[in-house]
Amino acid sequence: DTEVTQTPKHLVMGMTNKKSLKCEQHMGHRAMYWYKQKAKKPPELMFVYSYEKLSINESVPSRFSPECPNSSLLNLHLHALQPEDSALYLCASSQVSRGHQPQHFGDGTRLSIL
Amino acid sequence: GENVEQHPSTLSVQEGDSAVIKCTYSDSASNYFPWYKQELGKGPQLIIDIRSNVGEKKDQRIAVTLNKTAKHFSLHITETQPEDSAVYFCAASYTTGNQFYFGTGTSLTVIP
Repeated sequence: DTEVTQTPKHLVMGMTNKKSLKCEQHMGHRAMYWYKQKAKKPPELMFVYSYEKLSINESVPSRFSPECPNSSLLNLHLHALQPEDSALYLCASSQVSRGHQPQHFGDGTRLSIL
Repeated sequence: GENVEQHPSTLSVQEGDSAVIKCTYSDSASNYFPWYKQELGKGPQLIIDIRSNVGEKKDQRIAVTLNKTAKHFSLHITETQPEDSAVYFCAASYTTGNQFYFGTGTSLTVIP
């Protein structure tokens, strides 16, 4: 079992739907991350939150909207997605957003866009 | 930016044999090197990491070695077991940065 919990595990949505992915950690970490992972590829960084503030946005389309309500929670709001957005979305956390800190991943949300 | 290369992309070994996965990095400022194991349907799990002030680190059947001069690091798994079958990713980062640079992954299959 991982210490980073993601819900839902699976999500199927149409291109006009609005949905949200949720991530929660109770390790006291102050940095949280969203990654996108395609099959047989490494995770690709999307967003980094440090102390609840967005510190990195890797040129992600605006149809993905992150939110960090508090230090334990991270959301990813989805709207008007495209079929190529189908992927595994991973959340991770670390003590602080410094490169020498290990990141702990959740098991992801498998997203399918119809 | 940092570029991490990982080899081989696939690896099959007999149960009980050793497996070695190698990664090279380009930025000499990188000083933290984690290894992740990703099983089917799961997220990446940290299995071992090494910092640039150390040349080798072991944890039971898993070891990682680092050669800073040559800018490469390797994962060694001894006495492999079927449950070691997974995709393994190496990564590199540096203290003042805030992101990991991942290798392309190695799919390891341990044949019983």
